[in-house]
Amino acid sequence: KAGVTQTPRYLIKTRGQQVTLSCSPISGHRSVSWYQQTPGQGLQFLFEYFSETQRNKGNFPGRFSGRQFSNSRSEMNVSTLELGDSALYLCASSSTGTWPGSTQYFGPGTRLTVL
Amino acid sequence: ILNVEQSPQSLHVQEGDSTNFTCSFPSSNFYALHWYRWETAKSPEALFVMTLNGDEKKKGRISATLNTKEGYSYLYIKGSQPEDSATYLCASDTNAGKSTFGDGTTLTVKP
Repeated sequence: KAGVTQTPRYLIKTRGQQVTLSCSPISGHRSVSWYQQTPGQGLQFLFEYFSETQRNKGNFPGRFSGRQFSNSRSEMNVSTLELGDSALYLCASSSTGTWPGSTQYFGPGTRLTVL
Repeated sequence: ILNVEQSPQSLHVQEGDSTNFTCSFPSSNFYALHWYRWETAKSPEALFVMTLNGDEKKKGRISATLNTKEGYSYLYIKGSQPEDSATYLCASDTNAGKSTFGDGTTLTVKP
């Protein structure tokens, strides 16, 4: 089976712009989670989607949003970018319908730089 | 413990040494504890997920234990090899659906 894929791998944006990141889960996986990794904050949970519904959400401002499509692919959008949004964004998919506690399979990440 | 804490922050050992790391987490509303290995330029790889107090998991030379009452988990690596060099992350899930990662322990194994 192909692993979790994320596009694009690298992205450079300027403050005030918006960005959309894409994640394709492992075939058959219906749960997709998003995480932000910054040097100062470690890996932070953004949100989790299952069957096109957001089931869980971390403590991020409303500028961070996401959605999931019927084929389980997910997108994450960040509006009005700030310098502090520069980070590695990881998505992970899971085969089980129960969350938390399910094994997460991570993608390679999208490195976002905000100038 | 309010957050997930990992110690030590980094560790340098010689090939063949055995080593262990600690993950401390809030014991209230606990649901599951995950261990991941994250090698440079790769994606985090799931090692174990544990839910029950006293759980022990093993994968080759790597094993983990869980104490949910006191809020800690240990990860052991027996006979470390250079390919074990990575950052080891733990993450605690609550029954409210919140997942919190520690900052990781970076292991360097010298040949």
